[in-house]
Amino acid sequence: GAVVSQHPSRVICKSGTSVKIECRSLDFQATTMFWYRQFPKQSLMLMATSNEGSKATYEQGVEKDKFLINHASLTLSTLTVTSAHPEDSSFYICSAMNPDRIYGYTFGSGTRLTVV
Amino acid sequence: GESVGLHLPTLSVQEGDNSIINCAYSNSASDYFIWYKQESGKGPQFIIDIRSNMDKRQGQRVTVLLNKTVKHLSLQIAATQPGDSAVYFCAENKGSGAGSYQLTFGKGTKLSVIP
Repeated sequence: GAVVSQHPSRVICKSGTSVKIECRSLDFQATTMFWYRQFPKQSLMLMATSNEGSKATYEQGVEKDKFLINHASLTLSTLTVTSAHPEDSSFYICSAMNPDRIYGYTFGSGTRLTVV
Repeated sequence: GESVGLHLPTLSVQEGDNSIINCAYSNSASDYFIWYKQESGKGPQFIIDIRSNMDKRQGQRVTVLLNKTVKHLSLQIAATQPGDSAVYFCAENKGSGAGSYQLTFGKGTKLSVIP
């Protein structure tokens, strides 16, 4: 149990376009999901906390208008990178809290975004 | 939380030997710690966790040690196998207050197992 599906796994887009990444909890309901960004050979950096039915909470330095988060249902959170630029190229990872397990965090498989 | 560096520390071990991966955390209020394994191009995979009211916890071939006095966490892998090659991250959760559900990740250690 406690599976998180993240799509797409890889995406290449042109500068100036927008890309949407989906994060789904498949067998549990997640009121809280998290979005991370990871550069090569670096750690995971929390971008924002996504709360079902309310606005996301962004970490300092993360542009909320550039990284749009929508958590419209208990099983789906989306991250949209708007007007993407090459410096947005990175590995994006989501995780979901499983309320049936204390401190149960389940991670998606990540999305490799390349902006050309 | 940990600072993020440009280069991951690397640990190379011979297959069959034991591995010890260390992590220093900075938040004395953290009360829950997790070790994750991340293979190339994949998301983190849960290995083992420990609460702050414990100093040791064992799993299958893995042991986590917590020293709250010096804010140090270690992961011991017994009889290391080639499949253990990956990057290992510690993560901490401060347990209460604002952002208490959030995890803060350490900088990571790359484990390379020599066959």
